Amino acid sequence: DVKVTQSSRYLVKRTGEKVFLECVQDMDHENMFWYRQDPGLGLRLIYFSYDVKMKEKGDIPEGYSVSREKKERFSLILESASTNQTSMYLCASSHGATNSNQPQHFGDGTRLSIL
Amino acid sequence: AQKITQTQPGMFVQEKEAVTLDCTYDTSDPSYGLFWYKQPSSGEMIFLIYQGSYDQQNATEGRYSLNFQKARKSANLVISASQLGDSAMYFCAMREAGYGGATNKLIFGTGTLLAVQP
Repeated sequence: DVKVTQSSRYLVKRTGEKVFLECVQDMDHENMFWYRQDPGLGLRLIYFSYDVKMKEKGDIPEGYSVSREKKERFSLILESASTNQTSMYLCASSHGATNSNQPQHFGDGTRLSIL
Repeated sequence: AQKITQTQPGMFVQEKEAVTLDCTYDTSDPSYGLFWYKQPSSGEMIFLIYQGSYDQQNATEGRYSLNFQKARKSANLVISASQLGDSAMYFCAMREAGYGGATNKLIFGTGTLLAVQP
């Protein structure tokens, strides 16, 4: 089975801190994604990566950056955390073939609170 | 612009009954894929079922089936014989079309919270 592991289930940080959320997948997937989930808004794409060192902005990239130095690891970085970034963060991965029926596989999520 | 709409914020269903969760979509791309995910209170997103736009038959996976009506742009999830463990948030998603063809990005609806009552 595909395993996507997020480093923390719960995280509490202070405003202004630099925050790192880590995600690792074990299925050699080309694509990796970071979403945030807020009540009533569904999942919104922050950034995604289709290869090592490659990244593309999603729908809400402001205030975030990402890093993909190795194929299995995709990091989300909050440069200077703010209270409006309190949310559930979900990482996902998938095969790289387009027009495919391959789903995205998700981690368990990180509930991040910025105080 | 592509869009997924789930109009039911929440629903109740009695245990052992069938339930339909609505999903409509909007796209001008002839090639697309539709996915349903389940999110229990623990938070993980679980893939349930997939329907491709060119698939001739409605998708089925165990107790899950997809009522795909292409002309109406709807892809409703049907859960037969509901169980208490089916209580969760359910999300419909569409593979996003991109320049030159489909991408691997998904567009999600806002979700439907299903509560199964004993």
